[in-house]
Amino acid sequence: DAGVTQSPTHLIKTRGQQVTLRCSPKSGHDTVSWYQQALGQGPQFIFQYYEEEERQRGNFPDRFSGHQFPNYSSELNVNALLLGDSALYLCASSLTNSGNTIYFGEGSWLTVV
Amino acid sequence: QQQVKQSPQSLIVQKGGISIINCAYENTAFDYFPWYQQFPGKGPALLIAIRPDVSEKKEGRFTISFNKSAKQFSLHIMDSQPGDSATYFCAASGNQAGTALIFGKGTTLSVSS
Repeated sequence: DAGVTQSPTHLIKTRGQQVTLRCSPKSGHDTVSWYQQALGQGPQFIFQYYEEEERQRGNFPDRFSGHQFPNYSSELNVNALLLGDSALYLCASSLTNSGNTIYFGEGSWLTVV
Repeated sequence: QQQVKQSPQSLIVQKGGISIINCAYENTAFDYFPWYQQFPGKGPALLIAIRPDVSEKKEGRFTISFNKSAKQFSLHIMDSQPGDSATYFCAASGNQAGTALIFGKGTTLSVSS
């Protein structure tokens, strides 16, 4: 049973560029959430997707956008990258109506230079 | 206020000792309180979770104690082992489907042998 998988694991981008991160949820899960974890901090909620719609959004600017596909996989897009966007981006999956338990992937390390 | 305050920031415990990490929350609508363990370079892994209808939950060497009136909860790691050395995050969320997890800032635990 595959867990939450994310790609790429590491990437380096230049300020002003755009980046796309990808996530496949745990088998059987229909909900995908994205979190940003800065170095030495706890994860911060970006947004959540369910039934291909953004269901909830945290306090992040519109430069952060996402998408969920019919197979429940998801993408996180960040436009006009800033140095402060450097962080570990975590994807988490869960099954709606089964409680609040969420499972995280290993994350994608983004460095903006 | 959607905040979870975690202490201490770091903790050093002798092998075989008890590690105690504390968290406090403000939002009385929170009703799910998980703890996550994160090793360097890895995503957070769910360790144990509790809901406010019980005051304590134990799984192996890990115990959550919950004080609803004080809006506090804590993680106790009994017989701490060097392999427990990691960063621990408490979190909280509401009971609606899709409610985001609000994380504490984390506690770095070092268990010395």
